[in-house]
Amino acid sequence: NAGVMQNPRHLVRRRGQEARLRCSPMKGHSHVYWYRQLPEEGLKFMVYLQKENIIDESGMPKERFSAEFPKEGPSILRIQQVVRGDSAAYFCASSPTTSEETQYFGPGTRLLVL
Amino acid sequence: QKEVEQDPGPLSVPEGAIVSLNCTYSNSAFQYFMWYRQYSRKGPELLMYTYSSGNKEDGRFTAQVDKSSKYISLFIRDSQPSDSATYLCAMSQGAQKLVFGQGTRLTINP
Repeated sequence: NAGVMQNPRHLVRRRGQEARLRCSPMKGHSHVYWYRQLPEEGLKFMVYLQKENIIDESGMPKERFSAEFPKEGPSILRIQQVVRGDSAAYFCASSPTTSEETQYFGPGTRLLVL
Repeated sequence: QKEVEQDPGPLSVPEGAIVSLNCTYSNSAFQYFMWYRQYSRKGPELLMYTYSSGNKEDGRFTAQVDKSSKYISLFIRDSQPSDSATYLCAMSQGAQKLVFGQGTRLTINP
């Protein structure tokens, strides 16, 4: 059973460009979470999605950031007009449709903004 | 005050030692408690998962939760160099966002 997949693993963007990060959850999982990890810090929650629904976006910056999890295909975290402060590791996690609460993480996408 | 406090270390111990890692928290609504291990430049790997108070053992790892003190611990017995990593505590109220500690960087010296 394949784990959570994220791509790209590394992404370099210049200031003002757009970054698109993709996440495919584990098979059978319909809950997706995005977290951001800044250097020397723990993971910070950004957004929680189910298929075609945003459940909790309380950790998303108000501007430039958006997320979706369409009926078909991976979840996408989009950052418009990136700034240097967006440089971080972005992790996606998924959990099953049952009442199990554990989240399983992908390998992350490391975004570097020049 | 952070919702979850974790000493970032670094913590360095000799091989074979018992390691104790701890987190405190302030939100009494947390019901689910997890420990993740993260190797450098990798994703977090789930180690232990506990619901409410009590102990849970898995091989060389033991997780303890004391909700009355808002305190959780992870013990590693017979530590190995391969245990060298950053250990993150995490907790949640339910099928929702996880709140993480800062992580403790652990080194096991051969």
